[in-house]
Amino acid sequence: QSVLTQPPSVSAAPGQKVTISCSGSSSNIGNNYVSWYQQVPGTSPKLLIYDNHERPSGIPDRFSGSKSGTSATLGITGLQTGDEADYYCGTWDSSLSVVFGGGTKVTVL
Amino acid sequence: QVQLQESGPGLVKPSETLSLTCTVSGGSISTYYWSWIRQPPGKGLEWIGYIYYSGSTNYNPSLTSRLTISVDTSKNQFSLKLTSVTAADTAVYSCARGSPYSSSWHHDAFDIWGQGTMVTVSS
Repeated sequence: QSVLTQPPSVSAAPGQKVTISCSGSSSNIGNNYVSWYQQVPGTSPKLLIYDNHERPSGIPDRFSGSKSGTSATLGITGLQTGDEADYYCGTWDSSLSVVFGGGTKVTVL
Repeated sequence: QVQLQESGPGLVKPSETLSLTCTVSGGSISTYYWSWIRQPPGKGLEWIGYIYYSGSTNYNPSLTSRLTISVDTSKNQFSLKLTSVTAADTAVYSCARGSPYSSSWHHDAFDIWGQGTMVTVSS
């Protein structure tokens, strides 16, 4: 059982938009920055978003992040087959640990 | 650019100690925070802990009684030791860097990852 709650899966057609939610509490998301990672099966996670909405160099602006209260959202526009992967949110928790969501599998129909 | 590479045994017996090393290449280990993160087969990510190049550490409370993370700046390496392992410790173990660009003072945005190494706990 993950501290942060994500939907197990989302899907959309190529070119469409998907959003992935990450729900937490005041102990974590509510008072800390959120990061998002993309993990293609068999590879290591890749940082997509940090500090709620910032993109590392090289990450296309098709990926966006936002936070409101105790929830965060990752958006992917112009969906491509290469976007098929598992996506994880992460943040700091007052239990003195980094915590992650359970992951969301994105399928391009 | 900075690259990370994990090394260590892929098989550990129950009750023994799991030991892994992460070698940092293409840059200095100094100045940054370095974490270990694991992922059991088919499951999500679990943060293990981090170390600063000075040697200060912060561990996941669920593992702290069994965990030691250390750093060797002369070798540009940091290491993980997890004692009294069980099958529940079977996972892909990855090392990662806390992003220097993040405003979080918890160093919880990981911008560079190693490829990960599978560790199986079994007799």
